[in-house]
Amino acid sequence: DGGITQSPKYLFRKEGQNVTLSCEQNLNHDAMYWYRQDPGQGLRLIYYSQIVNDFQKGDIAEGYSVSREKKESFPLTVTSAQKNPTAFYLCASSVTGTYGYTFGSGTRLTVV
Amino acid sequence: AQSVSQHNHHVILSEAASLELGCNYSYGGTVNLFWYVQYPGQHLQLLLKYFSGDPLVKGIKGFEAEFIKSKFSFNLRKPSVQWSDTAEYFCAVNPGTNTNAGKSTFGDGTTLTVKP
Repeated sequence: DGGITQSPKYLFRKEGQNVTLSCEQNLNHDAMYWYRQDPGQGLRLIYYSQIVNDFQKGDIAEGYSVSREKKESFPLTVTSAQKNPTAFYLCASSVTGTYGYTFGSGTRLTVV
Repeated sequence: AQSVSQHNHHVILSEAASLELGCNYSYGGTVNLFWYVQYPGQHLQLLLKYFSGDPLVKGIKGFEAEFIKSKFSFNLRKPSVQWSDTAEYFCAVNPGTNTNAGKSTFGDGTTLTVKP
């Protein structure tokens, strides 16, 4: 079945460490996105990519980095510069933005 | 910058009651509009979408939404809710232009609890 796989499901990180969240899709979608979800808040866009080897900052890109070396993969690195990294991270993809998103199951990151 | 406002944070209904969840957006140009749903323990999934044409769009599980351009609104409705509709609902909008077509802005979500 086609879909988006995010791993790991739960992740614990010590303060000062970088951590990379994986997102892989087999839907042949061109566009991929990373959102952050905090309790009681909507989804906020971190980064997005509409084509391989190209990506743009979203509304809250500070302290995060991404790469898009393959169409299927869009990993997100949460760096030590991110001041409040504990959150639920969602990866999504779409054929184009007009068709709506397919979401992964998310990664819950906790900084300890 | 565009924004999306969902006025109801938590709605509690009894089964068979009618549902309307409000969604307003601020963006002056052409938009694509979406409602997503997240059932307990499941992924966020697309419920319905509007791009153009008939402003009344129908989605899965008996849901519909009406785009009222003059009011910048895209309210979600269902005539008779079921216990299985208990979920969190998100409204989203993205510009209807090619350059930013993928950049969706989401509302804060509305938690719907349906009592059996």
